[in-house]
Parts: sequence; C-alpha cells; structure tokens
Amino acid sequence: QKEVEQNSGPLSVPEGAIASLNCTYSDRGSQSFFWYRQYSGKSPELIMFIYSNGDKEDGRFTAQLNKASQYVSLLIRDSQPSDSATYLCAVREGGGADGLTFGKGTHLIIQP
Amino acid sequence: GAVVSQHPSRVICKSGTSVKIECRSLDFQATTMFWYRQFPKQSLMLMATSNEGSKATYEQGVEKDKFLINHASLTLSTLTVTSAHPEDSSFYICSATPDRGQRGYTFGSGTRLTVV
Repeated sequence: QKEVEQNSGPLSVPEGAIASLNCTYSDRGSQSFFWYRQYSGKSPELIMFIYSNGDKEDGRFTAQLNKASQYVSLLIRDSQPSDSATYLCAVREGGGADGLTFGKGTHLIIQP
Repeated sequence: GAVVSQHPSRVICKSGTSVKIECRSLDFQATTMFWYRQFPKQSLMLMATSNEGSKATYEQGVEKDKFLINHASLTLSTLTVTSAHPEDSSFYICSATPDRGQRGYTFGSGTRLTVV
C-alpha cells in the first residue's frame, strides 16, 4: 500500500516569511515527486516537480528531495496571502505515464 | 499549453440515474488519461487509468461496472457513473499529460456530482 503523508495543518505563516511544507512517502521505488496547489472547490494546479535528490528552485518556490529519507519538501519564500491554499504532495512510482498517489494535503494560511 | 477541459462542472442527478463526464485534452494528444475522485476534506484518489483504444485499468476497490470509462479518441475520455447513489456524490477530476508525465500532469477543472 503506497502512502504519502502530510501534516494537515493548518500551517499559519506571516506574510513575507518562508513557508515550509513537508511530505514523506512509503514506497522506496517512487521516482517522481510533485507539488500541487489546490484552492477550495477547485482542481489542483502544478507548482513543481522534482526527480533527483537535492534542491530545485523556481521563482519563490524550492522543492527539496531526499530519497534516502523518503522525504520531499516545498519552501515558499516571501509568502503572499494569495499563497493561502491546500498544498498536495504527489508521488509517482515509475518513470512512465502512471497515475499519482496524493497525500491529504497541508492547509497553508498566510497572515497579512 | 497542456490544457485539459472537463464538463460538466457541476451536476445534480436523482438516485438511480447515470451521469456522463467528459474530459478533453485541447492542445495535445493523450493516449492516457486519469480519473480521480475527491471526497470533502480528503485527498485525490486515483480511480482508473483510461487508455485510448483499450480497456481502462481500475484501482483496487473501484467497481468497473459502476464507473464506465471510454477513451475513444486521443483527445477524449468519458467517465459514466451508472446507477448513481448518494454515496457517489464527490468531486471527480480528470488528468492528462502530453509527455508521459515528465513535466507533471494537468488537471481538468473537475465535476461536482451531487446525487439526491
């Protein structure tokens, strides 16, 4: 049974600060990792993907992957109120077009 | 690019009736599409993988006779919820990728199904 674990929150962060979101996964064979943002009542939108150990930066977002620890994180710098949403961690086992296993998400609140 | 359109966005139906949901890839061809379901306060759960020109692959616990999937072309997959019951009320979302998921998956806007 593949599992993806996230702290459900809510995680409250002041505007302008760094928000840190964490995710662990159970399947060591997982190869691809994704972070999605989901606003209430809407479908998920892709923020970042990461395949290799280390950090990957895209604008205000940095994804970090540690396969040995089965841990992936997302950092949001200079947090804005518009970043308030649920952040979903998703994992794909293979390298092909397989479906994703999602965590339950972390509810992030950016306080103005 | 990589736009996925899903219709309808919201549907209310009577118990025992069937509902069809369409998922289209607008600017790319998708040999594979995915159907997810999300209950309130829960995460997305993969229901099935839709394969163009062949049978869908269903996840464990998903009734293939209840959730009929047809992927008749490279840009269209449909999910039909047959004999819907109130417990089928959920948010159904499709997903597709133009590049076997190498740069992530694009989701449709979702369909909110309410069975009364």
